[in-house]
Amino acid sequence: KAGVTQTPRYLIKTRGQQVTLSCSPISGHRSVSWYQQTPGQGLQFLFEYFSETQRNKGNFPGRFSGRQFSNSRSEMNVSTLELGDSALYLCASRFSDRPGEQYFGPGTRLTVT
Amino acid sequence: AQTVTQSQPEMSVQEAETVTLSCTYDTSESNYYLFWYKQPPSRQMILVIRQEAYKQQNATENRFSVNFQKAAKSFSLKISDSQLGDTAMYFCAFMTEYGGSQGNLIFGKGTKLSVKP
Repeated sequence: KAGVTQTPRYLIKTRGQQVTLSCSPISGHRSVSWYQQTPGQGLQFLFEYFSETQRNKGNFPGRFSGRQFSNSRSEMNVSTLELGDSALYLCASRFSDRPGEQYFGPGTRLTVT
Repeated sequence: AQTVTQSQPEMSVQEAETVTLSCTYDTSESNYYLFWYKQPPSRQMILVIRQEAYKQQNATENRFSVNFQKAAKSFSLKISDSQLGDTAMYFCAFMTEYGGSQGNLIFGKGTKLSVKP
């Protein structure tokens, strides 16, 4: 089975712009979670989607949003980018809505200048 | 709120030796899941091992094993016969079984492990 894929792998944006990141989960996985990883804050949960519904959201401003499609692919969007949004954005998928291990993608490295 | 603490920012070990990474957590839940993830320089997060809190038996995966002490809220990772490929950042993570936090992994700050030849 193919693993979790994320596109693009690297992205450079300027302040004020918006960005959309994409995540394709492992085939058959219906849950997708997003995490932000920075040197200062570590790994922080952004949100989780299951069957196209957002089930859980972390403590991030409304500029961060996401959605999930019927094929379980997910996108996250960040509007009005700030320098502090520079981070590695990781997507993870798992089979069901029951607790269990999540499988991570390679991440998207976003740099905001 | 649940928290995960890894008190060792960096560790090193000689190849073929054994090393133990520490993790403590805080929760009022009785049922939960604990994980160790490895993040090598490539940045790909890889699951190393998982433990369900209701299971008393410590999980093992080849050279990796955990020491789960539920009462002490401790979850350490032991790596036996360390290999150069074990060089990575190791993250301890927690997930609740129920409630709104389901699907939300709470991570520690990580321990950077260097395996030396």
